[in-house]
Amino acid sequence: ETGVTQSPTHLIKTRGQQVTLRCSSQSGHNTVSWYQQALGQGPQFIFQYYREEENGRGNFPPRFSGLQFPNYSSELNVNALELDDSALYLCASSLDRDTDTQYFGPGTRLTVL
Amino acid sequence: LAKTTQPISMDSYEGQEVNITCSHNNIATNDYITWYQQFPSQGPRFIIQGYKTKVTNEVASLFIPADRKSSTLSLPRVSLSDTAVYYCLVGERAAGNKLTFGGGTRVLVKP
Repeated sequence: ETGVTQSPTHLIKTRGQQVTLRCSSQSGHNTVSWYQQALGQGPQFIFQYYREEENGRGNFPPRFSGLQFPNYSSELNVNALELDDSALYLCASSLDRDTDTQYFGPGTRLTVL
Repeated sequence: LAKTTQPISMDSYEGQEVNITCSHNNIATNDYITWYQQFPSQGPRFIIQGYKTKVTNEVASLFIPADRKSSTLSLPRVSLSDTAVYYCLVGERAAGNKLTFGGGTRVLVKP
């Protein structure tokens, strides 16, 4: 167990809808990263938040946005859902932004119909 | 970022040693090599990290030759529970915002 939790476990949405996924980091971890993992592929970096500010972003459009809160929780928001957004969404917390040892949650499985 | 190449899958048997080699020909001077393990329906888990020569912890060993263009993750005496996908990552050590996962190696341990 990594101490990182995510909710919900599974989610079904339809194309064009908006979704919010939630993550609770380990206590004391001021950095959270979000990843998208399509079936059979490795996780792809979406973005990272450090002390509530975005600290790097992968190759994802602006309709993917995030928030990080002082209580070690964070959100991933996706607007205008597309079929290709169907994936496992993982959050990972780390003690600081200057570390690549990240602790992953179990993920949220999003299905877009 | 250095691109990594690793086998798509490997089969092994309980009690055997599993060695997974990762190629990273374009590794930069500041790059470290990190391995993660992912079980089905779980997020990846950090296994080991190294820069050169050999690193060992309670889970695995990491062998890195002098030219650092490849690395080998060694899992001693695997059990059925070691069945997972193993990812090799190469990047700057203090670059947590740039973790790049490839396709990984799917290891199946048979009884």
